[in-house]
Amino acid sequence: GAVVSQHPSWVICKSGTSVKIECRSLDFQATTMFWYRQFPKQSLMLMATSNEGSKATYEQGVEKDKFLINHASLTLSTLTVTSAHPEDSSFYICSARPSGTSGESSYEQYFGPGTRLTVT
Amino acid sequence: AQKITQTQPGMFVQEKEAVTLDCTYDTSDPSYGLFWYKQPSSGEMIFLIYQGSYDQQNATEGRYSLNFQKARKSANLVISASQLGDSAMYFCAMREAIYNQGGKLIFGQGTELSVKP
Repeated sequence: GAVVSQHPSWVICKSGTSVKIECRSLDFQATTMFWYRQFPKQSLMLMATSNEGSKATYEQGVEKDKFLINHASLTLSTLTVTSAHPEDSSFYICSARPSGTSGESSYEQYFGPGTRLTVT
Repeated sequence: AQKITQTQPGMFVQEKEAVTLDCTYDTSDPSYGLFWYKQPSSGEMIFLIYQGSYDQQNATEGRYSLNFQKARKSANLVISASQLGDSAMYFCAMREAIYNQGGKLIFGQGTELSVKP
């Protein structure tokens, strides 16, 4: 159980276009999902926390108008990179926290397989 | 200030030997959790082991153990009997306010482990 999928797994787009990445929790509901960005050989940097039915909380330095996050249901969050530029090329990873979990839990956050975005 | 520090960008280990990956952290929150993840070249994040700040004993999961030294704020990962499949990036992460659902994971810089045959 506790599977998170991402679609697409990789995408190439032209500079100036927008691209949408989906994150789905397949066998559980997730009130909260997280979006990370990772450059090659670097750490995961949290971009935003996505909460179902409310606005996402963005980390400092992340442009909310450029990285649009929509968490419309308990199993789906989307990240749209608007007007993409080559510097947006990166590996984007989502994770999901099962609804109703509280307290300590070593498995409280499940990661998707990631989406590799290349902007030409 | 860096909250999670991994000082070893890369490590080599001989197959079947043990290896320790270092991780130090900084927090003033008494309730926190420490995680280790493995990221192979495919990119997926694989959960390895978890240690809660109130846990009295070091966590163990198969060949993985976490050497938790609270006073020194360190949470080193020990992999025993290394296997070729252990070659990957390893990330230490911390979640503050572990009893608060809003807490987020903060990752260290990562250590690239290479296992030699």
